[in-house]
Amino acid sequence: AAGVIQSPRHLIKEKRETATLKCYPIPRHDTVYWYQQGPGQDPQFLISFYEKMQSDKGSIPDRFSAQQFSDYHSELNMSSLELGDSALYFCASSSGAGATFFGQGTRLTVV
Amino acid sequence: GQQVMQIPQYQHVQEGEDFTTYCNSSTTLSNIQWYKQRPGGHPVFLIQLVKSGEVKKQKRLTFQFGEAKKNSSLHITATQTTDVGTYFCAGMAGGFKTIFGAGTRLFVKA
Repeated sequence: AAGVIQSPRHLIKEKRETATLKCYPIPRHDTVYWYQQGPGQDPQFLISFYEKMQSDKGSIPDRFSAQQFSDYHSELNMSSLELGDSALYFCASSSGAGATFFGQGTRLTVV
Repeated sequence: GQQVMQIPQYQHVQEGEDFTTYCNSSTTLSNIQWYKQRPGGHPVFLIQLVKSGEVKKQKRLTFQFGEAKKNSSLHITATQTTDVGTYFCAGMAGGFKTIFGAGTRLFVKA
């Protein structure tokens, strides 16, 4: 069965650079979520989209933005990267309020 | 804002012992989901509970949703080394935001 696809799997950036993470949700899932997970921490909700429209916003810094495109893939754009942005970034998708399925994550390291 | 508290933070058990993690929400939940995350992996969906007082079983795992839909528990009977990982509860109170508990990290000694 198709799963949530994230790319890249690993990313190394320098401080003040920009990064773009991509997510391809499970086909026919109408909701996409982005989470940030620091070492030893629980996933922190960043933002979600329902049918390509932003539906909810969590603790997403102003330096970050996200969007969902007509083909339902989503991108998380991160600018002016800081050392503290180093984390695992998960994308997840669901159909309505059903089970949420996570991608394997993008490990971002800011040096 | 909505908070989901999960205890304990860590649990060390001998293989064959039982294990329970508890989840409490500050608000009434429309549903609660449980996930397992292995070290270095991603959260994997285990189950979703929707109804007040609901109990669901998956082999050695038993999941409960409280009558008030504000708390939940996951119980593992006779733990095995393959049960090692972090177990997260995640609650949805409305809208599209699922709030995760801090997780309970389970260590199983053979």
